[in-house]
Formats: sequence, C-alpha cells, structure tokens
Amino acid sequence: DAGVIQSPRHEVTEMGQEVTLRCKPISGHNSLFWYRQTMMRGLELLIYFNNNVPIDDSGMPEDRFSAKMPNASFSTLKIQPSEPRDSAVYFCASSFLTGWGRRNTEAFFGQGTRLTVV
Amino acid sequence: KNEVEQSPQNLTAQEGEFITINCSYSVGISALHWLQQHPGGGIVSLFMLSSGKKKHGRLIATINIQEKHSSLHITASHPRDSAVYICAVRYGAGSYQLTFGKGTKLSVIP
Repeated sequence: DAGVIQSPRHEVTEMGQEVTLRCKPISGHNSLFWYRQTMMRGLELLIYFNNNVPIDDSGMPEDRFSAKMPNASFSTLKIQPSEPRDSAVYFCASSFLTGWGRRNTEAFFGQGTRLTVV
Repeated sequence: KNEVEQSPQNLTAQEGEFITINCSYSVGISALHWLQQHPGGGIVSLFMLSSGKKKHGRLIATINIQEKHSSLHITASHPRDSAVYICAVRYGAGSYQLTFGKGTKLSVIP
C-alpha cells in the first residue's frame, strides 16, 4: 500500500480564496482523521470520520471549515473563505479502530499539506 | 484535564550516544504512540504499545502502566535520527482521540 496520500503538498493562496485539501486513506482502514499543526498549538484534531460518517467535528474551528468523506477511499477538507490565520500544516491520518481496542492499528499519517494564506 | 508531558523539550547528542525521551500522562490509557516528524514535516508512526516493551532496529519503546510513563530509547544515535519525536495517547478502548505531547526536538551531531 502507498500509505495515506495527501494533495497538494504545498498550497499558497490569497486571503478569501477557497482551498480544498484532499486525502486518500489506506485501503481497509475505517477511521480517518484531519489534524492541523501549528507552532503555537501543535497537533490538533479537526474532525474524525468512522466508516465515512463524521463522528466528531468539534475541533473544526469555524463554519469556514468543512470536511466530507463521500466514500471509504477519499476525503476533503475545505476552507472557504481562507484567512491568513489558517496557515498551518494539515495532516490526514487513517487507522483501523474497533470498540474493543484489540485490533486497533497504529495511526498512519499522510505527508501533510503546508497551507500558506497571504 | 488529560495531559501528555514530554521531556526534554530539546535534546542535542553526539553521534553514537544512547538517547532517552520521556512521556508521562495523567490518566489510564488504552494505547500510547510514538511518532517521528522529520524536518520537511512528514509524520511516521514508530510504535503503538499498551504494555511492556517493543523494539525496532535501534529504537526501543517501553511503557509502565502503573507509573503512567513511557520512554523512547535510541541506541547508537545517528544524525539521521534528528527529528521531532511526539508521544500521543489514546484514552479508553473505544476512544478514537489521540492526545499529543508537544514533542521533543532531537539533534544528533556528527
């Protein structure tokens, strides 16, 4: 497997523009996470999907952020309109998680998308 | 508040030295992860453990459930080990959330 694939790797955009980040999780994983990493706050969970269903989006900072997972092999994180304070590295990660815990896999991270909003 | 504390925050070592990075957490967990992030940003999962010890090459991870403490050891350190090492814990068997430490920045000098 190629691992978790994110695109683009880098994105520079002007304030006010729409930004779409993409993620392809590892095949067979049932859980997908979007994280944001900044120097000030470290890694923060934005949203968690299980079996393509958003379970917890309490980390999504504002209504400007939205995420979808139309199928098991694709997810998007959209920011509209973007603002300079959204500049960060956005990571997608996938795992196989069960309620029993014993079959849980490690968290596999994508390479991240470095977003710069100017 | 469930917190994950790592120490040291920064660490500089000479090539060949034995390195230890520590992680403490505040309440019971179902799993602890050690992650590695190189300059350039990609995050790699090194270990996931819930008890005992795991070894992979020159890396060893241990966890003491009673003391709520884990250590990551690197033997015969090499400049390519220079990275940020992040400890993350999952609370509860049914939990999906990872709570992250702030990371330890390791620099190994030739």
